[in-house]
Amino acid sequence: QVQLVQSGAEVRKPGASVKLSCKASGYTFISYAIHWVRQAPGQRLEWMGWISAVNGDTKHSQRLQGRVTMTRNTSASIAYMELSSLGSEDTAVYYCARNHYHSGTLDYWGQGTLVTVSS
Amino acid sequence: SYELTQPPSVSVSPGQTARITCSGDALPKKPAYWYQQKSGQAPALVIYEDRKRPSGIPERFSGSRSGTVATLTISGAQVEDEADYYCYSTDNSDYFVFGAGTKVTVL
Repeated sequence: QVQLVQSGAEVRKPGASVKLSCKASGYTFISYAIHWVRQAPGQRLEWMGWISAVNGDTKHSQRLQGRVTMTRNTSASIAYMELSSLGSEDTAVYYCARNHYHSGTLDYWGQGTLVTVSS
Repeated sequence: SYELTQPPSVSVSPGQTARITCSGDALPKKPAYWYQQKSGQAPALVIYEDRKRPSGIPERFSGSRSGTVATLTISGAQVEDEADYYCYSTDNSDYFVFGAGTKVTVL
């Protein structure tokens, strides 16, 4: 069965970086993209960007431009999302989701990773 | 930047029909997707490409699109349908956006 398992909760100080992982199983990793979505406490879902698992191409939300890096390890079927220059506004649950290329279909989601930014 | 507009809340009695709208300038050209998020859970896809229902989603969930407005309809809403519902789409296929979400209350 398809599963996306995300890394555990993180606590960072303002100005630091965090790198999250999303391990895929149960399907051919390079046949789908991975999108990243976050949700601050009590707030709406926010699309962060996506990475093509087959060639590593990425697109990021312009709001996060310059602070977010998405990579993947095809041999291990893992996608990564690194966010730098963290501020309190980055405190959120971060989700990865499997995406059918060239569509908005996010059919399987990870369990989410809570990132807390606090001094 | 592209925006999708949803009503903040919709309230219905059990068995009634709940309709959630999503407005966006690019919706005539790009399909809408709908995600359900129950409290404390990850989102789940309930409608894709305007009107298609993934396997396992009850038939009471349906989607439609007319011009710049996409609509999610829950026919005969159940208590277990209480959740936040988000529409999702793109204006250029590379960058996506969620609507602000609609809280559906069934009581």
